Amino acid sequence: DAEITQSPRHKITETGRQVTLACHQTWNHNNMFWYRQDLGHGLRLIHYSYGVHDTNKGEVSDGYSVSRSNTEDLPLTLESAASSQTSVYFCASSEQGAYGYTFGSGTRLTVV
Amino acid sequence: ILNVEQSPQSLHVQEGDSTNFTCSFPSSNFYALHWYRWETAKSPEALFVMTLNGDEKKKGRISATLNTKEGYSYLYIKGSQPEDSATYLCAFPRDSGYSTLTFGKGTMLLVSP
Repeated sequence: DAEITQSPRHKITETGRQVTLACHQTWNHNNMFWYRQDLGHGLRLIHYSYGVHDTNKGEVSDGYSVSRSNTEDLPLTLESAASSQTSVYFCASSEQGAYGYTFGSGTRLTVV
Repeated sequence: ILNVEQSPQSLHVQEGDSTNFTCSFPSSNFYALHWYRWETAKSPEALFVMTLNGDEKKKGRISATLNTKEGYSYLYIKGSQPEDSATYLCAFPRDSGYSTLTFGKGTMLLVSP
């Protein structure tokens, strides 16, 4: 069965370190997205991609980057982790057009 | 930034009660309206994608209606069960590409036995 997986599920890192969160989907979806979930804010868009080599900034992109070298993967990199980036991160994918997202199971990141 | 408002913020009902909540969105430049169900410790799951004014969608005891002219959608749950306890999110595309969604903060539903 097709799936979307995120790794790791949990991570603790120190302030200033570079961290990469993985997202891998086997749906063959062109669209992939990264959101963060924080209390009181709901899901907020970090970065998104509509296909290989395409990346775009979302509403809270500062301090994050993504790259899309193939259809399956959209890794999210925190260049220099900050405590404000402690959050739960969700990756999602979708087909082009008015289709629902398929979400990964999330990564809980703690920056100490 | 697009405003997608959901009300109420939370709701506590008894098993067997029917309930409904609201999603409000900009009525100009409508593209689509999504509903998701998000259980605690899991990830959101798509319920409905609605694209036409007057659309009604149904999945078991859950149904949704859409009014694009006035900018709202209702989600109804008939005969709520404890397993319906979840946060229900609505989401609206940021642009005509349909794909990139802005989410509301959700309505948290608790159904007591």
